[in-house]
Amino acid sequence: DAGVIQSPRHEVTEMGQEVTLRCKPISGHNSLFWYRQTMMRGLELLIYFNNNVPIDDSGMPEDRFSAKMPNASFSTLKIQPSEPRDSAVYFCASTPDPVGNTIYFGEGSWLTVV
Amino acid sequence: RKEVEQDPGPFNVPEGATVAFNCTYSNSASQSFFWYRQDCRKEPKLLMSVYSSGNEDGRFTAQLNRASQYISLLIRDSKLSDSATYLCVVNVGGTGGFKTIFGAGTRLFVKA
Repeated sequence: DAGVIQSPRHEVTEMGQEVTLRCKPISGHNSLFWYRQTMMRGLELLIYFNNNVPIDDSGMPEDRFSAKMPNASFSTLKIQPSEPRDSAVYFCASTPDPVGNTIYFGEGSWLTVV
Repeated sequence: RKEVEQDPGPFNVPEGATVAFNCTYSNSASQSFFWYRQDCRKEPKLLMSVYSSGNEDGRFTAQLNRASQYISLLIRDSKLSDSATYLCVVNVGGTGGFKTIFGAGTRLFVKA
């Protein structure tokens, strides 16, 4: 079975450029999450969707970050403009259970902003 | 104060040792609890859920103390393959849904 699929796996971009990260959740999963992980801050929840609707975006760092989920099988996380401090691993995850008992992660998008 | 706190380690133990990790959480409304494992440069994966009565999965034992808001993970007979970061995870329910909060993780190195 296909797991959570993220793209790109790795991206190096220059400061000021727009970055778009993509995610395809596991089919049938109702909830989708975007996390960011750094050595300093650990794994931080940025936003999560339930049935394509954003439920909690309190973790989104600032207006430069935006996320969408136009349908049940696709989500994007956009950073515009990007800054070096945005360098991190961005994980997308999904779960079939609204109580969130098991979260399945994608392999992550490794972002470096220079 | 962080919502979920863990000792970052690292814990360096020899093969065969028993090692225990602790985790505390701040929200008394937390509803469910888990341990995830993350290997270097990989995504986190569920290791086990944590139940109020305590539960065991092979060499791994998890305990929950709701009164003290404390979760533990015990690994017996450590293997080299247990080397990883162990993340304590707490689900907090609310009117808008639930929130899954990860601790920063405890790093374990098992050496031969």
